[in-house]
Amino acid sequence: DAKTTQPPSMDCAEGRAANLPCNHSTISGNEYVYWYRQIHSQGPQYIIHGLKNNETNEMASLIITEDRKSSTLILPHATLRDTAVYYCIGANTGKLIFGQGTTLQVKP
Amino acid sequence: DTGVSQNPRHKITKRGQNVTFRCDPISEHNRLYWYRQTLGQGPEFLTYFQNEAQLEKSRLLSDRFSAERPKGSFSTLEIQRTEQGDSAMYLCASSAGQGADEQYFGPGTRLTVT
Repeated sequence: DAKTTQPPSMDCAEGRAANLPCNHSTISGNEYVYWYRQIHSQGPQYIIHGLKNNETNEMASLIITEDRKSSTLILPHATLRDTAVYYCIGANTGKLIFGQGTTLQVKP
Repeated sequence: DTGVSQNPRHKITKRGQNVTFRCDPISEHNRLYWYRQTLGQGPEFLTYFQNEAQLEKSRLLSDRFSAERPKGSFSTLEIQRTEQGDSAMYLCASSAGQGADEQYFGPGTRLTVT
């Protein structure tokens, strides 16, 4: 599974877009980029995934660079409830290898 | 449509005792995963099942740990002779086992070994 690199922490103002970067330079051609988040004391929550193309769902957008070495998760209008640890994971089907993630603090 | 459920939510046990946790996956999900998470760390993979077959086990899963999914539905994770180092959150996830195979996690079982 691809190893990913994320900043340890980020702040975002409530109502603004949160842009969370992830480097995954060792990702292989058949590995998806997954994003999960974990709110304190809860199980991780699936957000979105992509392979090559940009993706959007009701929670977020995922922008993957053309060379697939990095991606950005975008929360378009962050709320206080989006405060969580965000994990970027490169994987095929099967087990997920979680890193330390990015702690996003949304501030009023 | 209920999500993944885990029982118990909290377990306190004395060192040396055996404990068993249960996970009920989302209905019709073929794959079931177990992870462990200690304070300040991301979840660590332990094992996973495709239906009733255990397909992969992590080296973290010592001989004291055993997992089963006898009928391809719910799963149990047993820890024998618990040690203080086993104190952690034990997370279960399930997935359809198709396509991109996103996993859906339960709330976890918090184990404290005293």
